Formats: sequence, C-alpha cells, structure tokens
Amino acid sequence: EAGVTQFPSHSVIEKGQTVTLRCDPISGHDNLYWYRRVMGKEIKFLLHFVKESKQDESGMPNNRFLAERTGGTYSTLKVQPAELEDSGVYFCASSRRRWEGDNTGELFFGEGSRLTVL
Amino acid sequence: AQSVTQPDIHITVSEGASLELRCNYSYGATPYLFWYVQSPGQGLQLLLKYFSGDTLVQGIKGFEAEFKRSQSSFNLRKPSVHWSDAAEYFCAVAPNYGQNFVFGPGTRLSVLP
Repeated sequence: EAGVTQFPSHSVIEKGQTVTLRCDPISGHDNLYWYRRVMGKEIKFLLHFVKESKQDESGMPNNRFLAERTGGTYSTLKVQPAELEDSGVYFCASSRRRWEGDNTGELFFGEGSRLTVL
Repeated sequence: AQSVTQPDIHITVSEGASLELRCNYSYGATPYLFWYVQSPGQGLQLLLKYFSGDTLVQGIKGFEAEFKRSQSSFNLRKPSVHWSDAAEYFCAVAPNYGQNFVFGPGTRLSVLP
C-alpha cells in the first residue's frame, strides 16, 4: 500500500505570504495528525482528525493556521500570513481505527514538508 | 503534563560498537511507547513499539528496547552499529490508543568508520 504522502517537500516563501501544505494519508486510515518540528526542537503535535472531524486541535499555535480534511480523505494545512517563526518541518501521520487489527496506535509518518519563511 | 526526555543530544560510536539510547517519560500510567528513526532526507520510520506484554521488544534493523516500569524508561539498544544507522532517533509516548504522541527531543547518532 502507498504510504503517507506530503506535498510540497519544500516551500520557500516570504513573510506575510500564504502557504498550503497537503497530506494524503494511507488509504482507509481514519486518523490523521499534523505535527511540526521548528528549528531542531521537539516534534510538536498540532492537531488530530478522525475522518473529517477535528478530534483535538490543542496544538495549533494560533489562528494563522487552518487545517481542513474535507471528505475525510486528504488534509490541508494553511498558514496565512506566514511568519518567520513558522519555519520548520511539518509532518503528517495517519493511523488505523483500533478495531481494525491494530492495537498499538502506531502512526505512519510522511516525509514532511519543509517550510522556510524569509 | 506528559514529557519525554532523551538525555543525549548527540552520540558518536564506532561501527561495530554497541549502542544504547536513553528515553525516560513522565506519565502516571504505562503509556504506549515508540521509537522512531529519521534518516537524512527521510520521514519518520517506526523502529519498534510497546504497549503491553513482554518488556523486551524487538524491532527492525536489529534494534531492541526494554521497558522498565520502575524507572519509567524505554531505552533503545543495538549490539553492533552499522554506518547506515547514522540518523536521528526519537522516543515517543501516547497516553492511550489514538491519542496524540509526545516526542522526546531526539538523539542524533553519528557512526565512525
């Protein structure tokens, strides 16, 4: 099966511009997560979708970040307007529902989208 | 609040030497425990995981980890390191199934020829 795919792999924008990151989870995975790693620090949780619903968005840093998952398939994360401190790597991950044969909650990660804000 | 510590920011070992990467967590109950590896230019790959049962778990690429409840630790080990193991290693915990992960800061491993 195809893994989690993220696009773009790298984006360079200027402060004040808008960027939209996309994540395609593994087919059939209801759980979708966004994480980010800023300036070599810890990987921090941003939010969690179950299908199209936001289960937990407690990690979203501010209202410049907007995540959507229309139809419960792919997800987008928009940063508008981007600030310098938003630079980092944005990871997407997906996982199965518990009753689908997996009882460990393993997350399958994409390769990340590197965002550079100048 | 949950936290995960990886005391070693950077470790350098010689190829063929043994390796132990430390991970400690702060959480009331036994969480779900994971080790991920990120090689340069790659995403996060799961090495191994623990949620119950045998406290010594085997993973891919010859890695193993031991859960010690009394020490709240989940240290990663490998008996003989290969040059291709050079990467960054992350310990992660989740309080329960499906809940978001808390990651440690990562340990960067360098391997000398």
